[in-house]
Amino acid sequence: KQEVTQIPAALSVPEGENLVLNCSFTDSAIYNLQWFRQDPGKGLTSLLLIQSSQREQTSGRLNASLDKSSGRSTLYIAASQPGDSATYLCAVRPYEAGTALIFGKGTTLSVSS
Amino acid sequence: EPEVTQTPSHQVTQMGQEVILRCVPISNHLYFYWYRQILGQKVEFLVSFYNNEISEKSEIFDDQFSVERPDGSNFTLKIRSTKLEDSAMYFCASSEAPRTRTDTQYFGPGTRLTVL
Repeated sequence: KQEVTQIPAALSVPEGENLVLNCSFTDSAIYNLQWFRQDPGKGLTSLLLIQSSQREQTSGRLNASLDKSSGRSTLYIAASQPGDSATYLCAVRPYEAGTALIFGKGTTLSVSS
Repeated sequence: EPEVTQTPSHQVTQMGQEVILRCVPISNHLYFYWYRQILGQKVEFLVSFYNNEISEKSEIFDDQFSVERPDGSNFTLKIRSTKLEDSAMYFCASSEAPRTRTDTQYFGPGTRLTVL
């Protein structure tokens, strides 16, 4: 059964710092991996989707990488801003689950000004 | 930009009552989903729906739950005889075509269900 883990659970950084969030998954048989942002008490905003055949995707200051064979993905945030403060969730879509996304618990990021 | 909408934003109910959570998916999307997130826990898949029938469901989605697309725009989750442990944030999502590797699921803002 697919398990998704995100480390660290929480991260505090000063504004302007570059940072990396980690996601690991136990089964490499996935269609894709998605990174989401969740603000407190709010819904999930899709940030990036990486297909299983891709190595990375970029959107603005965000860069996500995928190493399917080792079961790892990273989300790199450049030049962090206070507005980046949120919980970042990683989710995989495994072959075994059809259309379902399997989520990690998230990393809560706090960027101080 | 098109978005998934959900109503109500917060629903309070008494244990044993039935609730219906409503969602309007993005208009050209074909697949619809319900997920839930118990406070402090992971987001969990409940069910996916396509062509007016359930496509997949998780172990959580038992006989207490049902889904329906009553018209061309709404997608509902009904929870019968609610229990305290049903208290959670319920998210609706939709996607164009999940049989492709690029399919992105778009989530609504959620309905917070509180069972007293």
